[in-house]
Amino acid sequence: EVVLTQSPATLSLSPGERATLSCRASQSVSSSLAWYQHKPGQAPRLLIYDASNRATGIPARFSGSGSGTDFTLTISSLEPGDFAVYYCQQHSTWPTFGQGTRLEIK
Amino acid sequence: EVQLVASGGGLVQPGRSLRLSCVASGFTFSTYAMSWVRQAPGKGLEWVSAISASGGSTYYADSVKGRVTISRGNSKNSLYLQMSNLRAEDTAIYYCAKFRGSGGPRAAFDIWGQGTKVTVSS
Repeated sequence: EVVLTQSPATLSLSPGERATLSCRASQSVSSSLAWYQHKPGQAPRLLIYDASNRATGIPARFSGSGSGTDFTLTISSLEPGDFAVYYCQQHSTWPTFGQGTRLEIK
Repeated sequence: EVQLVASGGGLVQPGRSLRLSCVASGFTFSTYAMSWVRQAPGKGLEWVSAISASGGSTYYADSVKGRVTISRGNSKNSLYLQMSNLRAEDTAIYYCAKFRGSGGPRAAFDIWGQGTKVTVSS
């Protein structure tokens, strides 16, 4: 099983700041990595697929990078609606998720 | 509108069974692999099971293998998860999700249902 480790566990930032979230895989997943935003009481929302491709309707302030074992989700300028939990997921093998990064308002 | 609506959750005693359903709309259901993903209270997301577009191939996480069966009814645009011998650790919100693209069950999930809550307790 591919284990995904996300860091930090919690990130405290203010609106307008830049957020950088990391995801590390226990073995190479090539570019088979996705990022999701999850808010309480809502369904998860796909942000990025194949490491760097924005999903339909996702604003350009969200970007993904990386390949192999190290990946990054960057939110260039935080808006109030961006504060949520973010998960990475690999699909190189059967899907596994990271434990999540909680992005909270500072 | 592309949508998945899950139902069937509830309070069930340990050892009993439950069947979850998910109805799809807004896309050609029969051409996409589908999946169930769950989230236990205070925990992260966990993939549970997947099924190919035709229904001919099914896949299960080790944590549920032998206790759950995934199926689909393409004529009804519906996905199912039959769960048996339920345990307290199966308590979670269960989401149905669509795999992105037509490449089968190894992809990102681009559409998610709102989830249905399952509580296993005596």
